[in-house]
Amino acid sequence: NAGVTQTPKFQVLKTGQSMTLQCAQDMNHNSMYWYRQDPGMGLRLIYYSASEGTTDKGEVPNGYNVSRLNKREFSLRLESAAPSQTSVYFCASSGWIYGELFFGEGSRLTVL
Amino acid sequence: EDKVVQSPLSLVVHEGDTVTLNCSYEVTNFRSLLWYKQEKKAPTFLFMLTSSGIEKKSGRLSSILDKKELFSILNITATQTGDSAIYLCALNTGTASKLTFGTGTRLQVTL
Repeated sequence: NAGVTQTPKFQVLKTGQSMTLQCAQDMNHNSMYWYRQDPGMGLRLIYYSASEGTTDKGEVPNGYNVSRLNKREFSLRLESAAPSQTSVYFCASSGWIYGELFFGEGSRLTVL
Repeated sequence: EDKVVQSPLSLVVHEGDTVTLNCSYEVTNFRSLLWYKQEKKAPTFLFMLTSSGIEKKSGRLSSILDKKELFSILNITATQTGDSAIYLCALNTGTASKLTFGTGTRLQVTL
């Protein structure tokens, strides 16, 4: 049972390059989320999708876009990467609106 | 902005000690408070608390919520080296399980 799967696990980019982080869940969950984790800052919500076909901004959405491709998949795109986007990114999903989140193993992104 | 504050920021204890981790918050209207454990990679769910004064327990870990005083604690008894991790507290304040996380407490258990 894979749960939440993120790819890639590691990526190094140069400033201005673009990339997409992929996330898929096999738990038939309605809601999906993208968080970033920085030292001393905890986990901060970038974007979320409460259900297939909807997306909403979280706490730190600037510089990112998302796509809820179908119920299973939720991708995060950096159009023009900046060093401030160096972080560990976590995708998560939840089966109901008051439920706990299940996290992927994270993607470590470095922007030079 | 919903604020969640965890203390201490870090803690080193000896195996066998009992530790208490704190989570305080400023929001009065929320659906639940959650605790997660994060070792090397993904945070893993520990507890969800919705009612004040009711202890949740799992093995050596327990947690309780005080809605009047706006805090929660996570207790770990007879600590083991495998308890070394970052412990995260989070509030679910709205719809769609959007969680607001604290910065976490880094616990190190030494032999």
